[in-house]
Amino acid sequence: QVRLVESGGGVVQPGTSLRLSCATFGFTFSSYGMHWVRHIPGKGLQWVAVIWYDGKNKFYADSVKGRFTVSRDNSRDILYLQMNSLRVDDTAIYFCARGRHYDSSGIDEYWGQGTLVTVSP
Amino acid sequence: QSALTQPASVSASPGQSITISCTGTTNDIGGYNSVSWFQQHPGKAPKLIVYEVTNRPSGVSYRFSGSKSGNTASLTISGLQGEDEADYYCSSFSITYTWIFGGGTKLTVL
Repeated sequence: QVRLVESGGGVVQPGTSLRLSCATFGFTFSSYGMHWVRHIPGKGLQWVAVIWYDGKNKFYADSVKGRFTVSRDNSRDILYLQMNSLRVDDTAIYFCARGRHYDSSGIDEYWGQGTLVTVSP
Repeated sequence: QSALTQPASVSASPGQSITISCTGTTNDIGGYNSVSWFQQHPGKAPKLIVYEVTNRPSGVSYRFSGSKSGNTASLTISGLQGEDEADYYCSSFSITYTWIFGGGTKLTVL
C-alpha cells in the first residue's frame, strides 16, 4: 500500500540548515508531483512547496522562497526539503504528501506522519 | 499569498448539519475548480475529504459534501457524529501555481 515516511526533523538554532527526507513506498513515485505542507502550532496548515514528477518544475510559498529547496531522487523514490537560514517561525511539523497527478495539481489522500522541526535560540 | 478565510470555529449537536465557508479571490478559488478540504484530528496527519470542489475520495462518508459559488467554497457535513469533531482546512490552487490553505475551522460536536 502507499506509504510516506518523513525523517530529518530536529531542534536547530536560527540561521542554520536542515534537510528533510520523505521515503515513499507502494506507488510509481516518478509519475507524481509531490508536496511539502507544514502545520505551525496554533496557526494551522501552510503549504510549503511542490515539485513536479520529473523535478523540472518547482514552486514555493513566499514565506520560504529563496531559503528552502525541494528536490527528488526518482531512482530512490525519495523526496527532499533542504531548509536554509531557518527562522523561529519555521517551527512546525512538516508533512510530505503525494500530488493527485504529475504536476502542481491538488494534494492527494496520501500523507506521511510528519516530522517536527523546532527552531529555537 | 494571503490565507483563505474560514470561520475560526463552528459547533452543532449530533445529527445536525453544518456548513463551513472558505473565501478567497478570483486569483484562487474563483479562478479554478481546484478546491480541496482536509480534516485533521489532533496529533494526526490531515485527511483529504473533498477534492476538485465536489469530489470525495474513496472511503470518505457521503455526509461530507463540497460546493463553490464565485470566490467562496463551502463544506457541508450532514448528520454530525462525535468523530467529526476536528479541525477542517480548505485549500485552493492559485494563479501563481502555488497552493493556499485557509486558517482552519475547529468543529465542536456538542
